[in-house]
Amino acid sequence: EIVLTQSPGTLSLSPGEGATLSCRASQTVISSFLAWYQQKPGQAPRLLIYGASSRATGIPDRFSGSGSGTDFTLTISRLEPEDFAVYYCQQYAFSPLTFGGGTKVEI
Amino acid sequence: QVQLVQSGADLKKPGASVQVSCKASAYTFSGYYINWVRQAPGQGLEWMGWINLNSGATNSAQKFQGRATMTWDTSISTAYMELTRLTSDDTAVYYCARTRGYSHSDFWGQGTLVTVSS
Repeated sequence: EIVLTQSPGTLSLSPGEGATLSCRASQTVISSFLAWYQQKPGQAPRLLIYGASSRATGIPDRFSGSGSGTDFTLTISRLEPEDFAVYYCQQYAFSPLTFGGGTKVEI
Repeated sequence: QVQLVQSGADLKKPGASVQVSCKASAYTFSGYYINWVRQAPGQGLEWMGWINLNSGATNSAQKFQGRATMTWDTSISTAYMELTRLTSDDTAVYYCARTRGYSHSDFWGQGTLVTVSS
């Protein structure tokens, strides 16, 4: 199975700062079949990015995804208070579908 | 708007089975798949499997094969996931999510907490 390693585990930042989250795959993720989700405490995950770089409906343009092959990045250009959450990457190119361990973005 | 509404929290004893339901609305139910994903307390997300709501074909992670059964009832736009031979390690929030198979999950249910305890 494809193992996704997210780094850093925790990112401590202030509102207005930028954030760069990394997701590295143990094998090539074909067709950039990679998504990013945001999860807040007590809530279900929310789709942010799919196809490595396409924003989901209603997602602000301060969120952007990039990368291909084995290295992917989620960038939040200017953190808003509501962006402090846990972020997960997921590959859906191969079964079993797998998630990274998550990056917590905290104030 | 698209909604997935899951059944309520459940408490089960070790060795028992649990069934979680996921009722969809505001889209063509049979045109999609449903993913089942779980999250143990304080842990990350774990994909369990999916079901094709048109054909009934399923694809599940190896660790759940033989123990998790995914079914559906098109007449009431509801998907089900039954997990048998429960242990304390199965204590988790179980989510259903809309997908198209090898694809992202664009809408998620609110989650169902299943607690396994004697």
